[in-house]
Amino acid sequence: SAVISQKPSRDICQRGTSLTIQCQVDSQVTMMFWYRQQPGQSLTLIATANQGSEATYESGFVIDKFPISRPNLTFSTLTVSNMSPEDSSIYLCSVEEWVAADTQYFGPGTRLTVL
Amino acid sequence: DQQVKQNSPSLSVQEGRISILNCDYTNSMFDYFLWYKKYPAEGPTFLISISSIKDKNEDGRFTVFLNKSAKHLSLHIVPSQPGDSAVYFCAASVRKAQKLVFGQGTRLTINP
Repeated sequence: SAVISQKPSRDICQRGTSLTIQCQVDSQVTMMFWYRQQPGQSLTLIATANQGSEATYESGFVIDKFPISRPNLTFSTLTVSNMSPEDSSIYLCSVEEWVAADTQYFGPGTRLTVL
Repeated sequence: DQQVKQNSPSLSVQEGRISILNCDYTNSMFDYFLWYKKYPAEGPTFLISISSIKDKNEDGRFTVFLNKSAKHLSLHIVPSQPGDSAVYFCAASVRKAQKLVFGQGTRLTINP
């Protein structure tokens, strides 16, 4: 399976600032997704990161708050903008591989705390 | 609207016995289901999946059963081992390579 890394692994940020999370995969993948897991909650899809075009956002998530880039088939970034304490969550990227496009593999996650 | 539900937030099982984790879904369009295991401070790890054309899929100690008419799936772990202690999420999608909808998770504890 693809090896996925995320940076940073964790961060503590001040209200009103922004944080960019990076997701790097060791092989080309068809699909990349960004999820959020709020404390004590399940995983919720934020958006699908499309290579070379704008991300596709789920209901309740907007591009101004969570801008996403995907410049190539192995890399994506998620920015959490103008943060508030409610944005404190674990942010996870996941990928579908070219060959075995039947499973999503997840990165280790980025634990974000907003003060 | 919770389309995927895991009604048991926690489960405790004796080592060596069978662990059965349950999951219900409401969206009849779902045709692909997955189970993930998650340790604290790590991302979810894929365990096993099943397509709606099957009713059972087995991989080592893990077996997933799907009852489409009841919109219910279950994960059986046998025998249970201490390393199986984790939070287990079921997830569903309308097609492969599409977005996943997750349940709330069940915390499994294996007691020695």
